[in-house]
Amino acid sequence: DQQVKQNSPSLSVQEGRISILNCDYTNSMFDYFLWYKKYPAEGPTFLISISSIKDKNEDGRFTVFLNKSAKHLSLHIVPSQPGDSAVYFCAASLYNQGGKLIFGQGTELSVKP
Amino acid sequence: GAGVSQSPRYKVAKRGQDVALRCDPISGHVSLFWYQQALGQGPEFLTYFQNEAQLDKSGLPSDRFFAERPEGSVSTLKIQRTQQEDSAVYLCASSLVSIGTGAYGNTIYFGEGSWLTVV
Repeated sequence: DQQVKQNSPSLSVQEGRISILNCDYTNSMFDYFLWYKKYPAEGPTFLISISSIKDKNEDGRFTVFLNKSAKHLSLHIVPSQPGDSAVYFCAASLYNQGGKLIFGQGTELSVKP
Repeated sequence: GAGVSQSPRYKVAKRGQDVALRCDPISGHVSLFWYQQALGQGPEFLTYFQNEAQLDKSGLPSDRFFAERPEGSVSTLKIQRTQQEDSAVYLCASSLVSIGTGAYGNTIYFGEGSWLTVV
């Protein structure tokens, strides 16, 4: 039972364009959502997060949108850069279980020069 | 070092062998987590420690998996009688704050992982 799903295993984008990574979840009790970035042979690193009481959070080139009614969130990267090429994981947590993260399967982003 | 350190980085074990994976969290970090990441999947929660207390072990897949953190710093994940399905990357993560106080992801730091292959 996959509570957090990333249905696109890979995405290829041209440098300078927008990258949109999508994530769906099933548990309406999730109260915090995060995006992690992972390079090969490294551990995941935190990228951006959003609380369930918000619908948008922005940090530089990265914006996360949350649509609670659709149980859907997305990560927008504008403009995309070759250094953004990595695997991106969506994750969610329940109230007061912030470190116990439920991850999606990941989307591999390739940004081509 | 400044980050979460895991050893060994790579381990090949014969089926039935016992393995021990070590995690050195960031100094002073209260919370420690173990995750298992199978090939092509996202990390899956295994267990959580607050200092030396193992408060959640709901993700451990079987009684062959055992984790400890006796002095509240270094942690060891032990897998007994390894099976091929145990092949995965085992990620350790630590956080300065406790899970009950809202240890959200931006406070959690992951190690590079221990890659286990069972043959």
